[in-house]
Amino acid sequence: GENVEQHPSTLSVQEGDSAVIKCTYSDSASNYFPWYKQELGKRPQLIIDIRSNVGEKKDQRIAVTLNKTAKHFSLHITETQPEDSAVYFCAASKEGGSYIPTFGRGTSLIVHP
Amino acid sequence: EADIYQTPRYLVIGTGKKITLECSQTMGHDKMYWYQQDPGMELHLIHYSYGVNSTEKGDLSSESTVSRIRTEHFPLTLESARPSHTSQYLCASSEEGTGYEQYFGPGTRLTVT
Repeated sequence: GENVEQHPSTLSVQEGDSAVIKCTYSDSASNYFPWYKQELGKRPQLIIDIRSNVGEKKDQRIAVTLNKTAKHFSLHITETQPEDSAVYFCAASKEGGSYIPTFGRGTSLIVHP
Repeated sequence: EADIYQTPRYLVIGTGKKITLECSQTMGHDKMYWYQQDPGMELHLIHYSYGVNSTEKGDLSSESTVSRIRTEHFPLTLESARPSHTSQYLCASSEEGTGYEQYFGPGTRLTVT
C-alpha cells in the first residue's frame, strides 16, 4: 500500500519568514495530493491540493509543488503570520475507485510574533 | 447547511460501558471514514465505508465496529470501553467524482475512566 513520509514533525519560524513542509510518497499511481490545516481544538480543513497533471499550484501565500519523478510534494507558506500556527497534514490518494487517502504524520508549525 | 456532524462532542464514561459515537453528513457523500487522533498527533484510520452496506477496517487495530445503513449516517460503537480508548474520534466524508477533498466533523473527545 501507499506510504507517506512527512518532515519535519515540528517547525518553528519567526513571523514573516517562509515555511516549507515536505512529503514523500511510495505509490507512483497516486495522483491527488491534498494538504490539511488543523488549528488547535478544531477539525482538519483542506487548504490546498494538487493533481499529478500539474507541477505547482498557488493560492495567495501558500503554494504546493509536486515532483512526480522523485515522488515528493511540498507545502510552501510565505510571509508567515501567527494565525498560520497549526498542525499541517499532507496526504496522497488516487482519484476514482476504492482508494482511501494515506496521511502523513503531521507537522506542527509554530509562528513566533 | 451541508455539513458533517458528530455527537456527542465530549463524553466521559466508565470502563466496560458500551457507547456509540454518532456521525451524520448532509452532503450526500458516498465515502465515510473514522479516524482516531490524540491531540495534535497523526490521524489513524480505524474504519471506512464506500457506501451503504459497505464497511472496512482501517490501518489501526480497533475494538470498535461501524455500520452504514443509510448514506448520511455512519455510527461507531465500542462494545466495552477501556482507558486505552481515551482519544479524539474524527468522522469524515468525501465524494467520488470531483475533488476528493475530505470533510471532517468537529470530533468527539472521549475519556474512559
